[in-house]
Amino acid sequence: AQSVTQLGSHVSVSEGALVLLRCNYSSSVPPYLFWYVQYPNQGLQLLLKYTTGATLVKGINGFEAEFKKSETSFHLTKPSAHMSDAAEYFCAVRGGGSQGNLIFGKGTKLSVKP
Amino acid sequence: NAGVMQNPRHLVRRRGQEARLRCSPMKGHSHVYWYRQLPEEGLKFMVYLQKENIIDESGMPKERFSAEFPKEGPSILRIQQVVRGDSAAYFCASAPPGQLNTGELFFGEGSRLTVL
Repeated sequence: AQSVTQLGSHVSVSEGALVLLRCNYSSSVPPYLFWYVQYPNQGLQLLLKYTTGATLVKGINGFEAEFKKSETSFHLTKPSAHMSDAAEYFCAVRGGGSQGNLIFGKGTKLSVKP
Repeated sequence: NAGVMQNPRHLVRRRGQEARLRCSPMKGHSHVYWYRQLPEEGLKFMVYLQKENIIDESGMPKERFSAEFPKEGPSILRIQQVVRGDSAAYFCASAPPGQLNTGELFFGEGSRLTVL
């Protein structure tokens, strides 16, 4: 069965500092992995996804993530945090089978200090 | 192209009443998913539907919850005899045909149910 673990329910960084949000997955099949962002009282917006091919994936708003099979990880990074990055971030893995549903981690709330 | 539309955005019900949440998928999308988000929790899969068919309802509570996606009109998530524990944000997502294995899901802004 597929599952996702996000380490750290809250992360706080200073503006301009590196952002690192951790995600580890468990999957019995080659994983398809996703990062979504949720701003307060809004829906989820896709940041980036890994399906096949290049293991370093670039997304919107300067975010990127690297798929590391040996570590079963898909950590999200951004070199320099901006105040507008404050939000909740969810890592997800495609569920097994052909039904397309996503299995989400519990989320990490990112705070950015001025 | 309009995104996934959910309504109502906010719904308040008293215990024992019924809640109906509606979702119109993106144009051209034939797959609809419902998720529930409880405070401090991630999104939990509830049900996956195609037009007139429930494909996977493994995440739905056994009682009081039902979902449909009729041939015409939006998908509806129905909660009968609501209890306080049903208070949550309910998100609908859709996907186009042919991309279930690799494509992302497109999410609506959610319906926030409060049970008094």
